[in-house]
Amino acid sequence: GQQLNQSPQSMFIQEGEDVSMNCTSSSIFNTWLWYKQDPGEGPVLLIALYKAGELTSNGRLTAQFGITRKDSFLNISASIPSDVGIYFCAGQAPFTGANSKLTFGKGITLSVRP
Amino acid sequence: EADIYQTPRYLVIGTGKKITLECSQTMGHDKMYWYQQDPGMELHLIHYSYGVNSTEKGDLSSESTVSRIRTEHFPLTLESARPSHTSQYLCASSLTQTGPQHFGDGTRLSIL
Repeated sequence: GQQLNQSPQSMFIQEGEDVSMNCTSSSIFNTWLWYKQDPGEGPVLLIALYKAGELTSNGRLTAQFGITRKDSFLNISASIPSDVGIYFCAGQAPFTGANSKLTFGKGITLSVRP
Repeated sequence: EADIYQTPRYLVIGTGKKITLECSQTMGHDKMYWYQQDPGMELHLIHYSYGVNSTEKGDLSSESTVSRIRTEHFPLTLESARPSHTSQYLCASSLTQTGPQHFGDGTRLSIL
């Protein structure tokens, strides 16, 4: 089945720094989604991308849908302590009928040092 | 802001009990999903529904069952809980099959 690769598993940055994380796959996707999950909560949608090459921002967050449709990246600028959490990428394969489901990466745990 | 609710948030219960985890959404979404997530790990799809009276098994085999009698309600049931069922269960919904999924806050289940 399809797999999404996110690495490293953990990232440690200083408050105020920018951080970039990416998500890659051997398969193409039509949709890329980035979620953030805080401890004990459900994932919250940050950014949704629907077109190859698309670059979308949400406050200090910017995400891009790779031209090859096999990757996406998320950039967080000027990090703050509340950026701490697990960041998941998710992709949706080209629609092939009833079974087009989301595939999730394993997530990257981000820690921000004050 | 997504309006999808899961109850209970936390449940600690003994082996052999029957459990039902509730999930409701007020957005009128046809598509609903159940995921299982162990701490610090990725989400695994265990059930999904594309509308009333439609349910399908997901990618990860699960001993749980689901029902979809009403659009807004997608409960998950374990007939006889076991310690191996200990996990976090997340419910999600989406307007379309290709649209983004919105998640509830999850139920953290511990079976003793």
